[in-house]
Amino acid sequence: EAGVVQSPRYKIIEKKQPVAFWCNPISGHNTLYWYRQNLGQGPELLIRYENEEAVDDSQLPKDRFSAERLKGVDSTLKIQPAELGDSAVYLCASSFPTPPYNEQFFGPGTRLTVL
Amino acid sequence: GNSVTQMEGPVTLSEEAFLTINCTYTATGYPSLFWYVQYPGEGLQLLLKATKADDKGSNKGFEATYRKETTSFHLEKGSVQVSDSAVYFCAPYSGGGADGLTFGKGTHLIIQP
Repeated sequence: EAGVVQSPRYKIIEKKQPVAFWCNPISGHNTLYWYRQNLGQGPELLIRYENEEAVDDSQLPKDRFSAERLKGVDSTLKIQPAELGDSAVYLCASSFPTPPYNEQFFGPGTRLTVL
Repeated sequence: GNSVTQMEGPVTLSEEAFLTINCTYTATGYPSLFWYVQYPGEGLQLLLKATKADDKGSNKGFEATYRKETTSFHLEKGSVQVSDSAVYFCAPYSGGGADGLTFGKGTHLIIQP
């Protein structure tokens, strides 16, 4: 079974440029998450989708970040414009919506460097 | 919201040594508890989990017991290998509103041959 797929794996951009990350979850997983992991820290949730609906985006900096999951399958996270502090690894995860287990499966992440 | 306190790293051990990585948490309700591992250059992988008090999760020689009275979920392994070198994250999950996992800062484990 294929895991969570993310692309690109690495991205280097200059500040004020836009950038987008793509995620394809495990087939059949209704729930999709985007996390940001700063260097030396644990991942922090940015947004959670149930199918195509964003049910928790309270931690998403909405002035510059946006996300979509139009058909309830793959998802795109965008930053426009990027700032130096956005340098981090952006992780996508997916799961079945079956509490209390909520076992999340993570992709390899996209490492963003903003110069 | 939930929070996690883990041992500060890096933790450096010799091969075949006994490992303990401490984890204590605060959480709303009755959380499930997870340990994730992140090998160099890879994404997070679920290592083990426990969903109720006194449950013991185990995988790949690692164990952790859900201690509700002390709100702890310490990770142990009797004999570590060089291949166990990675960053380990403890994460409670309560569900409900903010429905992502809450991760600690992670503990970087280095095993020397």
